[in-house]
Amino acid sequence: EAGVAQSPRYKIIEKRQSVAFWCNPISGHATLYWYQQILGQGPKLLIQFQNNGVVDDSQLPKDRFSAERLKGVDSTLKIQPAKLEDSAVYLCASSVTGVGTEAFFGQGTRLTVV
Amino acid sequence: QKEVEQDPGPLSVPEGAIVSLNCTYSNSAFQYFMWYRQYSRKGPELLMYTYSSGNKEDGRFTAQVDKSSKYISLFIRDSQPSDSATYLCAPHRGGSRLTFGEGTQLTVNP
Repeated sequence: EAGVAQSPRYKIIEKRQSVAFWCNPISGHATLYWYQQILGQGPKLLIQFQNNGVVDDSQLPKDRFSAERLKGVDSTLKIQPAKLEDSAVYLCASSVTGVGTEAFFGQGTRLTVV
Repeated sequence: QKEVEQDPGPLSVPEGAIVSLNCTYSNSAFQYFMWYRQYSRKGPELLMYTYSSGNKEDGRFTAQVDKSSKYISLFIRDSQPSDSATYLCAPHRGGSRLTFGEGTQLTVNP
């Protein structure tokens, strides 16, 4: 079974630039999550999709972050404009449903904002 | 107050040692208690989870939950160098977001 695919693996941008990350979840997984993991901290949920609808985006900085899930499968997360404090690993995860089931994580995209 | 508190370590033990990793939480609505393991430059992977209070054993790993004191533990017996990773506790209510602790970085020395 293929895992959660993310690209790119690494990205370096200057502050105020924009960046986009892509995620392809495990086939058949209805729930997709984007997490932000700052160095030395645990992952923090940014947004949760159930199929192509948003379930939870309460911790998403909506003035600069946006996300969409195309046709309930792939998803993109965008930051515009980026700030220095956005430097982190952005993890995508998926699960069959969101209720007490295992979330499978991708390897993440490591973003450095300079 | 953070919803989940976890000692970040780092924790360094010799091979074969018993390791105890702990978290406390504040939200009494949490029902599922997950432990994720994260190797360097990898995404977290689910190690094991328990539902409500009690113990659960899986090989060398034992997860323990005491809901009365809001305390979560993970024990590793006969620790191996391959256990060197960051361990993240992640309680949740079910159908809601995982709330991760900061993670404890563990190194098992041969």
